[in-house]
Amino acid sequence: GEDVEQSLFLSVREGDSSVINCTYTDSSSTYLYWYKQEPGAGLQLLTYIFSNMDMKQDQRLTVLLNKKDKHLSLRIADTQTGDSAIYFCAESDRGYQKVTFGIGTKLQVIP
Amino acid sequence: DTEVTQTPKHLVMGMTNKKSLKCEQHMGHRAMYWYKQKAKKPPELMFVYSYEKLSINESVPSRFSPECPNSSLLNLHLHALQPEDSALYLCASSQEGLPGVKTGELFFGEGSRLTVL
Repeated sequence: GEDVEQSLFLSVREGDSSVINCTYTDSSSTYLYWYKQEPGAGLQLLTYIFSNMDMKQDQRLTVLLNKKDKHLSLRIADTQTGDSAIYFCAESDRGYQKVTFGIGTKLQVIP
Repeated sequence: DTEVTQTPKHLVMGMTNKKSLKCEQHMGHRAMYWYKQKAKKPPELMFVYSYEKLSINESVPSRFSPECPNSSLLNLHLHALQPEDSALYLCASSQEGLPGVKTGELFFGEGSRLTVL
């Protein structure tokens, strides 16, 4: 079955870069995602990457995918206090309906 | 309108009560989902409806009964729940199923926080 793993906590200073890492087990994953959840809110998609890509950049966000090692990372440049949230890595199967989430990494940004 | 609206935001119920959670979206999405999220845990898929038909049931106990009256609405009927069912219940929708759209992006509501006494 699918399994997605992340570290639980990351603390960075405002203005620094943050790197959140994720590993997954399902080699048939089609899309890999990063979702953000702020306190008391639902999840919001930040970015996604198709499994045949190795990098995607979107403003302050850079996603790197190492398909051989099944490793996904999210880099946030110039991290702001508003970036403090829980970040979930997720992957979907070929049918796109079943999205499996990691446990989430809590990002704390120190002013 | 890019919102998924869930009601109620908070619900407290006893183990003998019957209640329902409701979810609504007007984005024309044809897939709708129920996820359960316990504290400090990831969302776990419960049910998926595609074109108003149940397509995935992740072996959810029968005390949870989903219903999709039309393409914009999704309900979760609750009966004889246990205290361990207390969690945040998240509804989501996606464009999956529409021609040419296949990224699997989920649009989530803010959730209904359920407490079972």
